[in-house]
Amino acid sequence: NAGVTQTPKFQVLKTGQSMTLQCAQDMNHEYMSWYRQDPGMGLRLIHYSVGAGITDQGEVPNGYNVSRSTTEDFPLRLLSAAPSQTSVYFCASSYPKGGEQFFGPGTRLTVL
Amino acid sequence: AQSVSQHNHHVILSEAASLELGCNYSYGGTVNLFWYVQYPGQHLQLLLKYFSGDPLVKGIKGFEAEFIKSKFSFNLRKPSVQWSDTAEYFCAVSRGGATNKLIFGTGTLLAVQP
Repeated sequence: NAGVTQTPKFQVLKTGQSMTLQCAQDMNHEYMSWYRQDPGMGLRLIHYSVGAGITDQGEVPNGYNVSRSTTEDFPLRLLSAAPSQTSVYFCASSYPKGGEQFFGPGTRLTVL
Repeated sequence: AQSVSQHNHHVILSEAASLELGCNYSYGGTVNLFWYVQYPGQHLQLLLKYFSGDPLVKGIKGFEAEFIKSKFSFNLRKPSVQWSDTAEYFCAVSRGGATNKLIFGTGTLLAVQP
């Protein structure tokens, strides 16, 4: 199993550009989540999904959209990038009720 | 709002020293507790977790943590650290069955000097 994979690993955007961060898992996990990691702030939940077709907002959802059309994929869209979105983004997946979250390798995003 | 506090932001130890990292959370209901580690340049890996049962939890690489419900704490310990334990350590909490909604502490950066 590849586990949780994320692409790209690095990305530089200009303010106002849009892009999609890809996340896929091959463990048949129902739950998937997106976090951002900023220095001194730990990881903060952006959006999460409890299954295909079901998504909800986390702590810091503004400026991001998600969709979950399949169990395997959970892309994160930045609609109009801002410098405040410069961060490292982690995708995670887990089984419901008692499963640990498995994290992907992260995407380092810089918005100029 | 639920929060997780890690009071030690930066810890420096010599090899063979004992380690204890503090973690306190604010939620009063049923919680699941986790410690994750992030080695330099790598993604998060689970060290250990507590869902129920014995409050003393043993994890990988000689780490353990004790859940003290009355103190809302889940401190991480290791009797003797190694240089390879240099990493950032995150405490995280989820409520009940919502294991996909983790609330993380701000992290503790551990540097072990040889």
